[in-house]
Amino acid sequence: DTAVSQTPKYLVTQMGNDKSIKCEQNLGHDTMYWYKQDSKKFLKIMFSYNNKELIINETVPNRFSPKSPDKAHLNLHINSLELGDSAVYFCASSHSTEAFFGQGTRLTVV
Amino acid sequence: KQEVTQIPAALSVPEGENLVLNCSFTDSAIYNLQWFRQDPGKGLTSLLLIQSSQREQTSGRLNASLDKSSGRSTLYIAASQPGDSATYLCAVEGSYIPTFGRGTSLIVHP
Repeated sequence: DTAVSQTPKYLVTQMGNDKSIKCEQNLGHDTMYWYKQDSKKFLKIMFSYNNKELIINETVPNRFSPKSPDKAHLNLHINSLELGDSAVYFCASSHSTEAFFGQGTRLTVV
Repeated sequence: KQEVTQIPAALSVPEGENLVLNCSFTDSAIYNLQWFRQDPGKGLTSLLLIQSSQREQTSGRLNASLDKSSGRSTLYIAASQPGDSATYLCAVEGSYIPTFGRGTSLIVHP
């Protein structure tokens, strides 16, 4: 059973498009995150949701918006995609201790 | 602001060697420290989690230590194998704000 699942795994899209990445966790965790991994493999947190409430919002462009329909899901919506948005995006969940990560979504903007 | 540094950035060793990967952090007010492994094209796999009250954790050939006062953690890999080749990431968590290092890229050649 996959603990944290992301879809799609690969996403290629043109500049200016709007896209979404879905994330689901079946661990019953309270907190979910979105991370961006840049070309130098540096992982930076973008958003964190705890019990459906946004508690961290790093200085990311407002073209990025997290949406949590319920405790098990945290989707990432990206509007007006830019070339610099190309990266691998990881979803994660945790329950105050160990964090579990999804397999990542490789986004390529052309 | 928490900063996490990992040394070395890259490591290439022959099979069988014992390895030490280093992680340092600037703010000692942490809840836990976690070591991850990242394989190319895959997500992050949690290796070891050390709570702030603990000094070390062991799993198989892996041993991680934590010295909060000095802001350091080490990951010790005994008798390295080619299958250990991956990027190893250290993450420090405090107040729902996990901070990652840039990782150590390890290659173990036969």
